[in-house]
Amino acid sequence: ETGVTQSPTHLIKTRGQQVTLRCSSQSGHNTVSWYQQALGQGPQFIFQYYREEENGRGNFPPRFSGLQFPNYSSELNVNALELDDSALYLCASSSLTGTVPNTEAFFGQGTRLTVV
Amino acid sequence: GNSVTQMEGPVTLSEEAFLTINCTYTATGYPSLFWYVQYPGEGLQLLLKATKADDKGSNKGFEATYRKETTSFHLEKGSVQVSDSAVYFCALKDPGFQKLVFGTGTRLLVSP
Repeated sequence: ETGVTQSPTHLIKTRGQQVTLRCSSQSGHNTVSWYQQALGQGPQFIFQYYREEENGRGNFPPRFSGLQFPNYSSELNVNALELDDSALYLCASSSLTGTVPNTEAFFGQGTRLTVV
Repeated sequence: GNSVTQMEGPVTLSEEAFLTINCTYTATGYPSLFWYVQYPGEGLQLLLKATKADDKGSNKGFEATYRKETTSFHLEKGSVQVSDSAVYFCALKDPGFQKLVFGTGTRLLVSP
């Protein structure tokens, strides 16, 4: 086990609703990244948080937003859900000092989001 | 932009067979290269990595060598087990930025 925990493990939402996914990073890690993995595809980078600020973003619309808290845990929020948002959402924690990585990314087990 | 291409699966093998999963990449600069494994219903686990040309990453009998001249990082194992059945992802990361770029994954099925 990696020590990265995500909640909930499964979630079903209706199109147009909003959802919040949560991630607790591994002890000693200060960085959280979020990825979207559609069925049969590789994970796609959504964004990263470092020291409570967004530290890079992938090609996702603004309705995907996030937060990082002082204890380095993080939330991913998705507004106005669309059917194509159905996917496994993965959180990865790591440790950075400035731009220098101290560790590799450790992934949680993911949250399976289904939009109907 | 940076990208990773993996061989399509599924790869179906009998136990104790030799495994190769091909991975090539396109990147500017000198990325780090990774193999991650995903077992059914689980997240990703780092299997091995290499950070510079000619480095060999190894773990649990799996190996991959960073080949800059062919921009490849093929995964190999000499004798697979049923428990190796999973989806394997090749990935790269630019130095100085923590974003991982993944391939589409290759499913490995090992039968007894």
